[in-house]
Amino acid sequence: EAQVTQNPRYLITVTGKKLTVTCSQNMNHEYMSWYRQDPGLGLRQIYYSMNVEVTDKGDVPEGYKVSRKEKRNFPLILESPSPNQTSLYFCASSPRVRDEKLFFGSGTQLSVL
Amino acid sequence: EDQVTQSPEALRLQEGESSSLNCSYTVSGLRGLFWYRQDPGKGPEFLFTLYSAGEEKEKERLKATLTKKESFLHITAPKPEDSATYLCAVQASSNTGKLIFGQGTTLQVKP
Repeated sequence: EAQVTQNPRYLITVTGKKLTVTCSQNMNHEYMSWYRQDPGLGLRQIYYSMNVEVTDKGDVPEGYKVSRKEKRNFPLILESPSPNQTSLYFCASSPRVRDEKLFFGSGTQLSVL
Repeated sequence: EDQVTQSPEALRLQEGESSSLNCSYTVSGLRGLFWYRQDPGKGPEFLFTLYSAGEEKEKERLKATLTKKESFLHITAPKPEDSATYLCAVQASSNTGKLIFGQGTTLQVKP
């Protein structure tokens, strides 16, 4: 089944403890992106990647890191999480950067205490 | 600054009561405007893409239209299963890697 898989689905952590949220797609898509969703603010783009080894900042990249060493994987890294990074995170992919249709994962609900 | 604003924030309709959702945008050169549907606890699901003013797209009870400043999502004779949050997003020609979303409109359709 074609899909974007995020793990974990739920995560509770403490301030300063490094964490990684994984994202994997099995559709051979070139483009991948991370978003956070907060009430009243909608979806905001964190980072995106147009292809392997090519990443760029979205609108809210502070406090986050990404890497794209393989086409299928695009992990989101929080080196030192803070409470203001408590949010619902979505990974998405599409065949090419100019493609219209993004395929989203099911989301990761992160709570930083 | 590129910006997307959706209205209303929330909309309650009776089954069969048609209405429209609005998406106003400011972008430096529009490459595409997108509509997504999001159900609680799930990721957004693609509905439509519109590229130029005057364009219209339809899917079942939904019809999306586009002008130079805004887009409308018309819902004709909605059913309870149409209840969801509807998201609008724009992609600028100058930076196709970035997608800017509005805050969404949460639609509730009562039987």
